[in-house]
Amino acid sequence: RKEVEQDPGPFNVPEGATVAFNCTYSNSASQSFFWYRQDCRKEPKLLMSVYSSGNEDGRFTAQLNRASQYISLLIRDSKLSDSATYLCVVNPMDSSYKLIFGSGTRLLVRP
Amino acid sequence: DGGITQSPKYLFRKEGQNVTLSCEQNLNHDAMYWYRQDPGQGLRLIYYSQIVNDFQKGDIAEGYSVSREKKESFPLTVTSAQKNPTAFYLCASSGSNTEAFFGQGTRLTVV
Repeated sequence: RKEVEQDPGPFNVPEGATVAFNCTYSNSASQSFFWYRQDCRKEPKLLMSVYSSGNEDGRFTAQLNRASQYISLLIRDSKLSDSATYLCVVNPMDSSYKLIFGSGTRLLVRP
Repeated sequence: DGGITQSPKYLFRKEGQNVTLSCEQNLNHDAMYWYRQDPGQGLRLIYYSQIVNDFQKGDIAEGYSVSREKKESFPLTVTSAQKNPTAFYLCASSGSNTEAFFGQGTRLTVV
C-alpha cells in the first residue's frame, strides 16, 4: 500500500460546480498535512495546510479525518483557472522533515 | 526576496556524462529535498537532507548523488549510472513540521 494515495482523475467538471478530492494516508502517526496545486510544467505551490479542526480559504475547504486516515479538499464554484493537478502531502513523522507526496488528482474545469 | 532557486532551467546531457543541478535557498530552512517528476506522473523522492553534512536516500536514489556542505545549498548530480535521466527535477526546502517551498525546476534531457 502506498503511503499517500489519491485518485488520479481526471475530474472533468463544468464551471460553477463543486468538486471534492480525497487523499488517504497509511501512517496513523502523521501530524502535518497539506494540499498543493501544480500547473502543467510548473513547480507545485502550497494551496493550504490542513488542520485538525478543518480550515477554509475562500472557495476552498480542507478537512482531516484522523479516524479514517484521510484528508479532503472541497472546491466550490469552480473556475476555469482551477484546472490543475492537486497534490496531497503528508508528514509521516517517522522523520520530521520527510514529506510524502501523493501522485496528484487532475482537475479539468470546462466552460 | 526569500526563496529557492534552481539552475539551470533546461539542461541537456549526452549519454555517459555526469551533470550537476544546482539548488540554493535563502529561507534558512534546515531540510532540503530533490524530487523527480516524469510526464503525467507524481513526484518521487530522490534524496533529502535534514542538516548540513547529512542526507538520506529517498525512493529512487540509484544513479544520483548529493552533497550538503552548506545549509543553503543542496546540489544533485545525475550520474552516468542513471539509465533514464530525462525528467523534470524539483528541489524543495522546508522548516520543521512546515510546508515545503519549491524551486522552478530543471528539465533534463538526454541527447
